[in-house]
Amino acid sequence: DAKTTQPTSMDCAEGRAANLPCNHSTISGNEYVYWYRQIHSQGPQYIIHGLKNNETNEMASLIITEDRKSSTLILPHATLRDTAVYYCIVRVGYAAGNKLTFGGGTRVLVKP
Amino acid sequence: SQTIHQWPATLVQPVGSPLSLECTVEGTSNPNLYWYRQAAGRGLQLLFYSVGIGQISSEVPQNLSASRPQDRQFILSSKKLLLSDSGFYLCAWSRGPGTEAFFGQGTRLTVV
Repeated sequence: DAKTTQPTSMDCAEGRAANLPCNHSTISGNEYVYWYRQIHSQGPQYIIHGLKNNETNEMASLIITEDRKSSTLILPHATLRDTAVYYCIVRVGYAAGNKLTFGGGTRVLVKP
Repeated sequence: SQTIHQWPATLVQPVGSPLSLECTVEGTSNPNLYWYRQAAGRGLQLLFYSVGIGQISSEVPQNLSASRPQDRQFILSSKKLLLSDSGFYLCAWSRGPGTEAFFGQGTRLTVV
């Protein structure tokens, strides 16, 4: 699976949009981009994933660049409860065993 | 709907004692199952994954083992715990390749 690079940490203001970047310059054509988050002392929570097109759900939007070498997770109106570590993961869709390998993630602190 | 159960939530065990953590999934069949460990202040490390009954793949050589005696049951075990086995253990499931994973709430293990 391709490696990803994320900022170690970032702050954002409550009520504002939070834009979380992720670089995956070695991504291949059959690899998806997944985002998870982990609130302190809880299990990771799936947020969204995509292959080529931008995706949106009730939690967030995922913007993938045309060359697919980077992506941005957008939390449209950050709340204090969005404070968590956010993980960007790239992996093939058909990998045997469906392995999901987590990197260091971005520690997001939403401030009032 | 699908649910994942993991217990106990916390556990304190002496060095050299055995360990058995259990994870069960409801509402689906033939899930992919995973065990992860998160040491204090560290990222998530994939320990084992299973694509079916009796099929276990180990990611990291260690003092732990896993078993899948039933389709929706995944067990993490150790014969003799080490201090370094302390951490936050998470079970997860997914429908298969290319699908998102869902995590349990985790077991916080402290080996003393």
